[in-house]
Amino acid sequence: QSALTQPASVSGSPGQSITISCTGTSSDVGGYNYVSWYQQHPGKAPKLIIYDVNNRPSGVSNRFSGSKSGNTASLTISGLQAEDEADYYCSSYRSSSLEVFGTGTKVTVL
Amino acid sequence: QVQLVESGGGLVKPGGSLRLSCAASGFTFSDYYMSWIRQAPGKGLEWISYITTNSSHTNYADSVKGRFTISRDNAKNSLFLQMSSLRAEDTAVYYCARGLTWLDYWGQGTLVTVSS
Repeated sequence: QSALTQPASVSGSPGQSITISCTGTSSDVGGYNYVSWYQQHPGKAPKLIIYDVNNRPSGVSNRFSGSKSGNTASLTISGLQAEDEADYYCSSYRSSSLEVFGTGTKVTVL
Repeated sequence: QVQLVESGGGLVKPGGSLRLSCAASGFTFSDYYMSWIRQAPGKGLEWISYITTNSSHTNYADSVKGRFTISRDNAKNSLFLQMSSLRAEDTAVYYCARGLTWLDYWGQGTLVTVSS
């Protein structure tokens, strides 16, 4: 099962906004509103930050937002902070009744 | 509070078997789908299996199908992953997580190393 495609790295300065893309197909990202995003700091378990395309779990900063257009989902981090430096993964339901993760994006705060 | 604690990882030889466990607490375990996800050293996340609330349905990634079996014991609030015919490429940190279309709680992970 092929992974969803994300840029390997994205960087930005504190206070800026960055956007991470997650590209799939009509069988996953484009076909369902079941896209989620996870943040993972080194040596830690992933943390859910967005579910069902654009919903934030309780306790997650409103600086994180999600959207989708066609077969591409996006995560935007606004007001970038040093603590946002981490790896980010998207995930989507796929029509073969599986879940699939993206390739992962390393976010660097300059 | 919700807690998921994995155990059972370790060093195993190629072709060997291992059983991972995940102890759940702080929520009604029987109400939730559960999943296993793994992460090879320095690599990305790979979802490998899920199980429905009453174990009526399971599914697996192609990479583990036929070798791994997911199960659960709702009376003991526990999730399991029986792994057999292990290969070097199965070396990874294995996480259990609550849910399927989104995974809202994760364990800390248990490391499985397959090496001779």
